[in-house]
Amino acid sequence: NAGVTQTPKFRVLKTGQSMTLLCAQDMNHEYMYWYRQDPGMGLRLIHYSVGEGTTAKGEVPDGYNVSRLKKQNFLLGLESAAPSQTSVYFCASSYDPSGDRSTDTQYFGPGTRLTVL
Amino acid sequence: EDQVTQSPEALRLQEGESSSLNCSYTVSGLRGLFWYRQDPGKGPEFLFTLYSAGEEKEKERLKATLTKKESFLHITAPKPEDSATYLCAVRTNQAGTALIFGKGTTLSVSS
Repeated sequence: NAGVTQTPKFRVLKTGQSMTLLCAQDMNHEYMYWYRQDPGMGLRLIHYSVGEGTTAKGEVPDGYNVSRLKKQNFLLGLESAAPSQTSVYFCASSYDPSGDRSTDTQYFGPGTRLTVL
Repeated sequence: EDQVTQSPEALRLQEGESSSLNCSYTVSGLRGLFWYRQDPGKGPEFLFTLYSAGEEKEKERLKATLTKKESFLHITAPKPEDSATYLCAVRTNQAGTALIFGKGTTLSVSS
């Protein structure tokens, strides 16, 4: 049981380049999330998904797109990277935060450190 | 607007010196308060969830408590391996499924 995994661990982009971050979970969780973590800002939600084929915007969605084609995978795309997108990106998943209290915990992946030059 | 504030930003303790971290919140309606531990270069690791004022949970040297305005993470007789950043997050009626995080408290325990 690997939990939540993220690919890649590190990436350096030039301004204007595009890339996709991959998140995978093997816990059969319905909900998946993408956060970014910046110094002095705390973790902020970018996008999330409540199930296969669904996505929704979080607090800071501009400049990012997401897709959830398979239940176990959640992809985060940067179409045209900007230096302001330099950050550490975390993926998380939870079973069902709208249900029983025991199912609402979010479990995080190890993160992807992205630098945009 | 839902807000979470953690204090202090940084805390240095000697091994065995007990202390508490604070997480105060102003929210529309609390659906759960979460504590996470984050080691440098790693993702947040879940510690506790608290749902109601008066609730307490313990794990080894850590004990989390909840009131209607704040939560405390008590660390009893800490060891160097307890050094990490501790994050507090809330789920609220307004935010729905999202977690709203505080900025964290970085704890350093020296031997």
